[in-house]
Amino acid sequence: NAGVTQTPKFQVLKTGQSMTLQCAQDMNHNSMYWYRQDPGMGLRLIYYSASEGTTDKGEVPNGYNVSRLNKREFSLRLESAAPSQTSVYFCASSVFGTGAYEQYFGPGTRLTVT
Amino acid sequence: QKEVEQNSGPLSVPEGAIASLNCTYSDRGSQSFFWYRQYSGKSPELIMSIYSNGDKEDGRFTAQLNKASQYVSLLIRDSQPSDSATYLCAVNRENQGGKLIFGQGTELSVKP
Repeated sequence: NAGVTQTPKFQVLKTGQSMTLQCAQDMNHNSMYWYRQDPGMGLRLIYYSASEGTTDKGEVPNGYNVSRLNKREFSLRLESAAPSQTSVYFCASSVFGTGAYEQYFGPGTRLTVT
Repeated sequence: QKEVEQNSGPLSVPEGAIASLNCTYSDRGSQSFFWYRQYSGKSPELIMSIYSNGDKEDGRFTAQLNKASQYVSLLIRDSQPSDSATYLCAVNRENQGGKLIFGQGTELSVKP
């Protein structure tokens, strides 16, 4: 099992450009999440999908859109990138384990917007 | 007040010592609690989960939960230089499905 995979690993964008970050999991998890991690700010939830066909906003959704393409895939789109979106983006998926939801993370995408 | 608070550190301990990492949370409805380890430049890795009051041990790691006092801690026995990382505390609140609230993380440095 590959677990949670993300593409690309690194990306540099100019202000105003758009791009889609891809995430896939092969663990048959129902729920998937997108986070951003900035120095001093910790992990902040952008969007999540509790199950296939549903998506909801997290703490910092502005400037982003998501698509839950199927049970495996959950993409994050930046329509018009801004320097404030320079960050490390993590995708995660979760399963209800022994009494608790346990989230597992992908390797991350390091995005720089100039 | 932040929902989940951790001392940012860095916490420095000598090799072989016990490292103690603490986390407090504000929502009494929180149900389950997690510790993640994150090496520099890498993604968070789940190392412990706990949801009942008391201690839970896994190898050199012990998670302790006290819901009355709203804190959760992680003890690392016989600390090794390879334990040097940032440790993230995360909390799952009631009726929030799998959503987690993360603390800022505590940086741990284990000196040989």
